[in-house]
Amino acid sequence: AQSVAQPEDQVNVAEGNPLTVKCTYSVSGNPYLFWYVQYPNRGLQFLLKYITGDNLVKGSYGFEAEFNKSQTSFHLKKPSALVSDSALYFCAVRDQGAGSYQLTFGKGTKLSVIP
Amino acid sequence: EAGVTQSPTHLIKTRGQQATLRCSPISGHTSVYWYQQALGLGLQFLLWYDEGEERNRGNFPPRFSGRQFPNYSSELNVNALELEDSALYLCASSLGQGEYSPLHFGNGTRLTVT
Repeated sequence: AQSVAQPEDQVNVAEGNPLTVKCTYSVSGNPYLFWYVQYPNRGLQFLLKYITGDNLVKGSYGFEAEFNKSQTSFHLKKPSALVSDSALYFCAVRDQGAGSYQLTFGKGTKLSVIP
Repeated sequence: EAGVTQSPTHLIKTRGQQATLRCSPISGHTSVYWYQQALGLGLQFLLWYDEGEERNRGNFPPRFSGRQFPNYSSELNVNALELEDSALYLCASSLGQGEYSPLHFGNGTRLTVT
């Protein structure tokens, strides 16, 4: 079975500082990994994905994520946080070759960027 | 390109009633997924439809059901509503069954059961 853990319910960061939102995963095979963002009263928006290749993945709005196979992690990062980045962030995993294409999501991390 | 559209935006029902939620995928997308987002529980996978067939089902009771129409739109039905069914129901679509295709989400239907 596949699972995702986001160990922090909330992350607070000052505007202009770097931000990190943590994610660890568990799959039996190789993972496909995704990050989504959700603004209040909206659906989820796709930010970036890791399929294979370079461990550092760049996505929308200046976000990037680093895949670390040995630590089974896929942390989301941004060099300089904006107030507009404040939102709920979800990490998701899909097990390659598992035959089921559903995504399993973490419980989400609320990011607050303080002016 | 129009995104995933869901209707209604809000739905208020009483316990024991039935609710019907609708979803129109992005044009060209054949897969539709339903997720429940309840407070504090994250996103829980409900159902996956592709090419009109139910492909996978999450750990929900049979009173949660749905279907996909020939135009790839989808409907989620919840029978015998319970208070704990109150949640945001999100529909998503993807291009085919690609394992690495990201999901594109609608803004959801907020279901309140009183």
